[in-house]
Parts: sequence; structure tokens; C-alpha cells
Amino acid sequence: DAKTTQPPSMDCAEGRAANLPCNHSTISGNEYVYWYRQIHSQGPQYIIHGLKNNETNEMASLIITEDRKSSTLILPHATLRDTAVYYCIVRARDDKIIFGKGTRLHILP
Amino acid sequence: GAVVSQHPSRVICKSGTSVKIECRSLDFQATTMFWYRQFPKQSLMLMATSNEGSKATYEQGVEKDKFLINHASLTLSTLTVTSAHPEDSSFYICSARESDSGVSGNTIYFGEGSWLTVV
Repeated sequence: DAKTTQPPSMDCAEGRAANLPCNHSTISGNEYVYWYRQIHSQGPQYIIHGLKNNETNEMASLIITEDRKSSTLILPHATLRDTAVYYCIVRARDDKIIFGKGTRLHILP
Repeated sequence: GAVVSQHPSRVICKSGTSVKIECRSLDFQATTMFWYRQFPKQSLMLMATSNEGSKATYEQGVEKDKFLINHASLTLSTLTVTSAHPEDSSFYICSARESDSGVSGNTIYFGEGSWLTVV
């Protein structure tokens, strides 16, 4: 079973920041938080990952709470091309990925 | 990010025949690759873990004699669907784990996926 809980769907206006929450209350100390997204009919795309500290790259920012039990993926300026299913994954370094149902993000024009 | 390539992207085969899907890591070595299957409007389901030079590990309920996996090199894994039936029609996706990526958690990258239609 997936170790994370995400809302099934969210809407965000184009140009605004999209904040996608994820709960992972049973995360272990050696497990990372990963985010992927899947645009229709494509393979999942890696977005970002982190262990304890907040992370930022050219695609997004990842905010992890101090107790590590939840995190938020932030897409700073959402575009229509960001419409996708977003998956929050918790895994240790050598673990496989087990997908949950993710959050279906709709970007509204 | 690292690139994983699958081929073919789409394939149609006749019922009873076998079809092979290739998964290549283009710019990194991958001792471990994973194969997933995805039906419409569902999430990805892990089928098996493929380790270079050894037998694949299959998830519960996946028939190893039907879905043959070979991982002969650090950059190539293949999935062969044997004696395909229409119910095997699906989106098959591979992924590869970067080896020795230091402190950063061994990120897994996914291929573009392969659509299989069995007629």
C-alpha cells in the first residue's frame, strides 16, 4: 500500500501558485519524499525530492514540515501544461516506488 | 534529469503472439529497473523489479512465465509479453534507478511508456 495520502483532485487558476499537499505520517527516518507527475498518456516525470530540508529546483519547491509527517509541492506559476496527476511518494534509497492514486491537478484558464 | 527510453512506443500484435518492449537508460547506468502496467484511469501497478545479471523479482499475482524480463546490461532491460491476449492490452512503463548517486537518494526515472494492443 502507498504510504501517502493526497487529495484526489485540485483546481488552480493559471498563473497562480499551485500548492499540492501530501500526508506521510508514518515516514521513517531514512525515507525520502519524492514527487512525480504524469501527464496524460506519458510516463511519470520526476519533479523533486527531499529528506528533511526544503528544496527548490527549476520546476517546483518542496516544503517538508519539521516533523516530516507532511509536505507540500509548490508550482510557483501554474500553466495549462501543468495539468497532470501528481504523485507524492515516500521511499528509502534502494526501495521501489509504489504508486497511490495521486492528485489530479486541473489548471483553469 | 536522466533519460530513460522505451521502444516501441506503440505496438499492435495478434492474440497468441509474443511482443518485446525495450527499456534503456541513455545517460546513466542502472543496476535496477522496474516494470509497471497501467490500465485506463488507474494508477501504475508495479509488475516486477529487474536486477542486472540476475533474475527478476515479480510482484504478487504477476505471472513470471507470461511476462519475461531480461536485464542483460547496465543500460537495457526487456519485457516480453508471451502468448499475448486482448486482456494484456495496456500501457507498460519502465523505470530505472540511478546507481551510486551519492547522498541524494538514488532517484528513479521513468520511460515514456509503451502502448500494447492485442487484437
